[in-house]
Amino acid sequence: AQRVTQPEKLLSVFKGAPVELKCNYSYSGSPELFWYVQYSRQRLQLLLRHISRESIKGFTADLNKGETSFHLKKPFAQEEDSAMYYCALRTGRRALTFGSGTRLQVQP
Amino acid sequence: GAVVSQHPSWVICKSGTSVKIECRSLDFQATTMFWYRQFPKQSLMLMATSNEGSKATYEQGVEKDKFLINHASLTLSTLTVTSAHPEDSSFYICSARAGQSNTGELFFGEGSRLTVL
Repeated sequence: AQRVTQPEKLLSVFKGAPVELKCNYSYSGSPELFWYVQYSRQRLQLLLRHISRESIKGFTADLNKGETSFHLKKPFAQEEDSAMYYCALRTGRRALTFGSGTRLQVQP
Repeated sequence: GAVVSQHPSWVICKSGTSVKIECRSLDFQATTMFWYRQFPKQSLMLMATSNEGSKATYEQGVEKDKFLINHASLTLSTLTVTSAHPEDSSFYICSARAGQSNTGELFFGEGSRLTVL
C-alpha cells in the first residue's frame, strides 16, 4: 500500500534561511508526487507537482526515485511562507494519499 | 482557479442525529469528488471516492451506512453522517477534480467542522 511520510511536525527557521521539508514515500507503481500548502484559515491548495518541474514561490522539489523522496526546498525563507505543508502521492485510483504535514514557521 | 465550496463550515449536533455536508464545484463540472476526514493535528484520511451517477467507493474501515455519499449532479456531492456520535466529531474536507482526465488538478473545499455533543 502507498504511504507518505513527513518526519517533521514542525520546522522553525529564521527569515532568509534555507528551508527543506522532507517527504518520503512508498509506492510500488509510478508515483505522482505533489506538495500542498495550507495558509492560516485558508483551504488546502496545490503548491507544485513533480511532473511540472517548476518553481512556485521560490519552492522546488525533485523526485528522487532511488531514495523515494520528494523534499521541498527554498533557498531563502520568507515570513509569508509560514504555513502547513503536506506532501501527497496520487495513486492509480486517482485519489491523493497525504503525509501528516509539516508546519513551517518563519521567524523575523 | 476553480472553486470548491462546502456547507456548512461548521455544525454542532446532538448525538443520534444526522448531519448533511454539501460539496459544490462552483465553476466547473466534477465527475469525481473525494471526501477526506482530518483529526486534530493529523493528516487527511481518504474516506470515499464519489462518482457522479454511481455508488461511492469507500475506503477500508469506513462504514458506508454510517457515511452516506450522494453525487447526484456534476456539481454537487453530499456526505451525510447518520446517527452521529461524539467520535464522529472531525473536520471533513472534500475535493473535486476538474475535467474528465484522471490527471486533472484537484481543488479542495474549505472544510466542514462537525462537533457531536
